[in-house]
Amino acid sequence: DGGITQSPKYLFRKEGQNVTLSCEQNLNHDAMYWYRQDPGQGLRLIYYSQIVNDFQKGDIAEGYSVSREKKESFPLTVTSAQKNPTAFYLCASMGNMNTEAFFGQGTRLTVV
Amino acid sequence: DAKTTQPNSMESNEEEPVHLPCNHSTISGTDYIHWYRQLPSQGPEYVIHGLTSNVNNRMASLAIAEDRKSSTLILHRATLRDAAVYYCILVGGSQGNLIFGKGTKLSVKP
Repeated sequence: DGGITQSPKYLFRKEGQNVTLSCEQNLNHDAMYWYRQDPGQGLRLIYYSQIVNDFQKGDIAEGYSVSREKKESFPLTVTSAQKNPTAFYLCASMGNMNTEAFFGQGTRLTVV
Repeated sequence: DAKTTQPNSMESNEEEPVHLPCNHSTISGTDYIHWYRQLPSQGPEYVIHGLTSNVNNRMASLAIAEDRKSSTLILHRATLRDAAVYYCILVGGSQGNLIFGKGTKLSVKP
């Protein structure tokens, strides 16, 4: 079945460590997105990519980095520069504007 | 910034219709109107989308104003499982961004 997969579901890291969140899709979608969601809040765009080897900053890119070396994969690295990294992270993909976007089930990152 | 405006919360009774409004006065001619909903601790789920004409699917209906500056998501018979946060977003332009606002939290009473 086609879909988008985020892993792991829960992640714990010590403060000061970089951590990479995985996002894989087998929907052949060109566009992929990363969001951050804090408790009781909406989704805020971190980075997005419309095509392989290209990506753009969203509203809250500071302290995060991404790569898009393959169409299927769009990993997000939360760096030690991110001051408040504990949050729920969501990945999405979309084929074009006239089709639905698909979301992963999210990764809950806790930094202690 | 989000390009849509929605009420923070709405309540409905089970098995009654629900009309969720969305204002998008700065919509451009190429923007599609998408609706998603999100349950706690889950990723958003697609509900419906449209460009100019009203749309129906198995989950809901989407009514789009003639000037396209507003739209309404219609759940014909609300169930307890429809309790969620509903997001109305505009998708378009050369970048096709998915920019979310704060959404409407729908509560359904038995």
